[in-house]
Amino acid sequence: LAKTTQPISMDSYEGQEVNITCSHNNIATNDYITWYQQFPSQGPRFIIQGYKTKVTNEVASLFIPADRKSSTLSLPRVSLSDTAVYYCLVGRRGSGTYKYIFGTGTRLKVLA
Amino acid sequence: DAGITQSPRHKVTETGTPVTLRCHQTENHRYMYWYRQDPGHGLRLIHYSYGVKDTDKGEVSDGYSVSRSKTEDFLLTLESATSSQTSVYFCATIAYPGQGSDEQYFGPGTRLTVT
Repeated sequence: LAKTTQPISMDSYEGQEVNITCSHNNIATNDYITWYQQFPSQGPRFIIQGYKTKVTNEVASLFIPADRKSSTLSLPRVSLSDTAVYYCLVGRRGSGTYKYIFGTGTRLKVLA
Repeated sequence: DAGITQSPRHKVTETGTPVTLRCHQTENHRYMYWYRQDPGHGLRLIHYSYGVKDTDKGEVSDGYSVSRSKTEDFLLTLESATSSQTSVYFCATIAYPGQGSDEQYFGPGTRLTVT
């Protein structure tokens, strides 16, 4: 499974759009990308998942370029409550097994 | 939220003692996972299960064993706990892997301290 690389930390201000990029250079054809959010003392929570191009849901967008070697999580108009650690991971379908490799995460701090 | 519970939530044990952590789910999810989380390492997969009595190793499986005798329970055992196994342990499940969404549902975590 492809390892992922993310920035260790980011700061932003309330109301701004935040983009967190994840690198996964060794991604394979059957791999897809998922992002999770984790607050202190809690388990991670699913945000969004995609395979290629753009995916949008009610909380975020995920941009995946054609070569799929990176992906960008976009959080529109962040608030203080978006302060958390964000994880990008790559998973594989089709093999019958579903193992997941989390990256080290990006610690996002939203400032007032 | 998926009905995933972990027990105990906190445990302190001594080096060399056996420890068993339990993950219990009420969602009938087929896949279950054990991760550990340490500062600077994110979450690392220890073992996972893809059905009753079907398990496989993750990236940091040394020193750990698992068992799954029924769908709802996935046990993680440290046969002889070491200080390096001090960590926060998370259990996760997936409802329908490979069928459109591989969203993992995580439990609240177990904080284990080995002295």
